[in-house]
Amino acid sequence: DIQLTQSPSTLSASVGDRVTITCRASQSISSWLAWYQQKPGKAPKLLIYKASSLESGVPSRFSGSGSGTEFTLTISSLQPDDFATYYCHHYNTYSQTFGQGTKVGIK
Amino acid sequence: EVQLVQSGAAVKKPGESLKISCQGSGYSFTSYWIAWVRQMPGRGLEWMGIIYPGDSDTRYSPSFQGQVTISADKSISTAYLQWSSLKASDTAMYFCARPRADGGLDVYDIWGQGTLVTVS
Repeated sequence: DIQLTQSPSTLSASVGDRVTITCRASQSISSWLAWYQQKPGKAPKLLIYKASSLESGVPSRFSGSGSGTEFTLTISSLQPDDFATYYCHHYNTYSQTFGQGTKVGIK
Repeated sequence: EVQLVQSGAAVKKPGESLKISCQGSGYSFTSYWIAWVRQMPGRGLEWMGIIYPGDSDTRYSPSFQGQVTISADKSISTAYLQWSSLKASDTAMYFCARPRADGGLDVYDIWGQGTLVTVS
């Protein structure tokens, strides 16, 4: 099975900071990667699909890039509502997997 | 409105059986896969498996194969996740989720509210 490894596992940042989260796949997954945001006690929310496509209604400060085995999620200017945990997700397969998550906290 | 509504929280003892549900509405239930995702306390998301209610085609993550059973009743637009003998380690929040594209293994844009299962 393909493994997804996110880094860092946690990060502390301030409002207005540029934040980058990395997701590495154990083998090539083309562009079949999505990013979700999850807040405590809530279901995940889709942010990015096909590695770099912004889901409708998601603020443009979120962006995704990458293909093959290395992917990034970037928040260009962190806002108070963005403090949450972020997960990458390999889909379009019968053997899907999530990364272990990156918790973005307040510095 | 497209939505998935899950059954309420459950508190069970080790060794007991349990079946939780996820009812879809606002769309053609038989045309979209439904996935189950586990989140243990303080931990990340784990993909458990997926079912296509149209023909009950079911696939499991190797980590969950043999540990749970996924099923669906298309007559009432409901998918299920069941255990025959619960363990304390099954304590978790369980989410169902629907892919965006009908018939495809797409990203999940519709999620249930989650069902908290406590085994103690």
